[in-house]
Amino acid sequence: DVKVTQSSRYLVKRTGEKVFLECVQDMDHENMFWYRQDPGLGLRLIYFSYDVKMKEKGDIPEGYSVSREKKERFSLILESASTNQTSMYLCASSLPERETQYFGPGTRLLVL
Amino acid sequence: SQKIEQNSEALNIQEGKTATLTCNYTNYSPAYLQWYRQDPGRGPVFLLLIRENEKEKRKERLKVTFDTTLKQSLFHITASQPADSATYLCAPHNYGQNFVFGPGTRLSVLP
Repeated sequence: DVKVTQSSRYLVKRTGEKVFLECVQDMDHENMFWYRQDPGLGLRLIYFSYDVKMKEKGDIPEGYSVSREKKERFSLILESASTNQTSMYLCASSLPERETQYFGPGTRLLVL
Repeated sequence: SQKIEQNSEALNIQEGKTATLTCNYTNYSPAYLQWYRQDPGRGPVFLLLIRENEKEKRKERLKVTFDTTLKQSLFHITASQPADSATYLCAPHNYGQNFVFGPGTRLSVLP
């Protein structure tokens, strides 16, 4: 079974802090994704990566950056956290055909 | 722009009945469509995938239909159980495009 893990289930940060969210997958998947999920807005794609050191912007990349130095690890970075980045963050991975995505358990981030 | 609608935000049904969830999409020509289940505070879990040339797909108590003319997918859970209570997301998709998920339908199966 594919396993996608995220570094934290819950995180509380202050406005202006730099925040790192880590995601690790154990199935050698090429593709990895970061989403945020908000009530009424559903899942929205922030960034995705189709290979080490490669990244593409999703629908809402503003205020975020990503890093993929190793195939199994994909990091989401909030350079200067703001209250409107309070959300549930979900990481996912998939094979190159991108047919099925495997999600991690999510990180609920609260920015005060 | 692409738009995905799921029939209702919440659906309540009695245990043992068949739950039917609807996914409609516009400005899309998906090659396939997926359904995911999401429990509160958890990530979505893949359930079923149906391709554009398939009319129907089944897996245990789950059945999915895909009508590319109507631009609609129906997701059925037969003999529903309280453990089926969750939010169900549809995701029509085409290769080379970003994944887009519907807003979800929150299903409650009442004992």
